[in-house]
Amino acid sequence: DGGITQSPKYLFRKEGQNVTLSCEQNLNHDAMYWYRQDPGQGLRLIYYSQIVNDFQKGDIAEGYSVSREKKESFPLTVTSAQKNPTAFYLCASKQSGPADQETQYFGPGTRLLVL
Amino acid sequence: EDQVTQSPEALRLQEGESSSLNCSYTVSGLRGLFWYRQDPGKGPEFLFTLYSAGEEKEKERLKATLTKKESFLHITAPKPEDSATYLCAVIHSGNTPLVFGKGTRLSVIA
Repeated sequence: DGGITQSPKYLFRKEGQNVTLSCEQNLNHDAMYWYRQDPGQGLRLIYYSQIVNDFQKGDIAEGYSVSREKKESFPLTVTSAQKNPTAFYLCASKQSGPADQETQYFGPGTRLLVL
Repeated sequence: EDQVTQSPEALRLQEGESSSLNCSYTVSGLRGLFWYRQDPGKGPEFLFTLYSAGEEKEKERLKATLTKKESFLHITAPKPEDSATYLCAVIHSGNTPLVFGKGTRLSVIA
């Protein structure tokens, strides 16, 4: 089955701790994205990567870091500098190319809670 | 700055009561407009992509339309299983990320 997987489904973070959220896709998509979703806020872009070994900050990158060492993987680290990390985190991917390939597909999400 | 505004924020319908959700956008050089459905605690599920004014797409009880300033998601004779949050997003010319609206939370009551 082709798709996007995120793990874990739930993650608990202690104060001062860095945690890493996993995102893997087997769709052979070039671009990958991380969003944060809070109630009433919609989806806000954290980081995105259009090609391996390259990534760009989104609207709310402070307190987060990413890497893109492999095409299929785009892990997100929530650092201790992120003071309000409790949220639902969504990973997405899409193919780069003509407009008819612009559709972005989402993973099932990871809910991060602070202890 | 690209903006996407969805209305209403929440909509409550009786089963069988047809209605429409609105997505208005301000973006230069629209490349595509996307509709997603999101159930609580899950990732958004892709529904439609619209590329040019006048375009329409249908899937079961849902029909999406596009003008130069807005898109509508028409729901005909909705059922309780249509209850979800519906998200609209746009992408403009160039290789830029999607810009999302805040969504419309739809509840269909039996």
